[in-house]
Amino acid sequence: KNEVEQSPQNLTAQEGEFITINCSYSVGISALHWLQQHPGGGIVSLFMLSSGKKKHGRLIATINIQEKHSSLHITASHPRDSAVYICAVENGGGADGLTFGKGTHLIIQP
Amino acid sequence: EPEVTQTPSHQVTQMGQEVILRCVPISNHLYFYWYRQILGQKVEFLVSFYNNEISEKSEIFDDQFSVERPDGSNFTLKIRSTKLEDSAMYFCASSRDRRLAFFGQGTRLTVV
Repeated sequence: KNEVEQSPQNLTAQEGEFITINCSYSVGISALHWLQQHPGGGIVSLFMLSSGKKKHGRLIATINIQEKHSSLHITASHPRDSAVYICAVENGGGADGLTFGKGTHLIIQP
Repeated sequence: EPEVTQTPSHQVTQMGQEVILRCVPISNHLYFYWYRQILGQKVEFLVSFYNNEISEKSEIFDDQFSVERPDGSNFTLKIRSTKLEDSAMYFCASSRDRRLAFFGQGTRLTVV
């Protein structure tokens, strides 16, 4: 069974700071997802990665398959980025049986 | 932008009652999923559904649970004889190609 660990669990930063959230997993995967969970509970998919790097606006996600590690970066952070960021891995079965991390609770203060 | 819609947003039910959580997936999607998040815990996979049948289910998805696609648009999760520990946020998701899943806003189920 894949173990997905995220760090940090909680992160408070000032507006404008560069944010890094880390995710590591124990068993080889077919893909990794970064998700954003809003305070109301809704989940939005941000990225799906199987190699390399993806960028969308101020968000950048990278993955190192050999090291079993991924990072999510937020540049020029803003209070509206405050949310829980969740890493989830596909264990070869597509979105079936996604294994989720516990999430990183990010607060960006103005 | 297309989205997955879940109803109700919040359901309160008495222990032992049956509940049906409803989802309308994105219209051209073929794969449907239910996930659960108990308060303060990780999101957990429950079940996936494709071609009108269950394709994968987790050990959480026991005989108390069932899923159905009663018509061309709805995808439902039925929980029979609810228990206190069924209280959680339930997320529906859909996917066109079994990869990137689009999530609904969730139904918060409270069993009292």
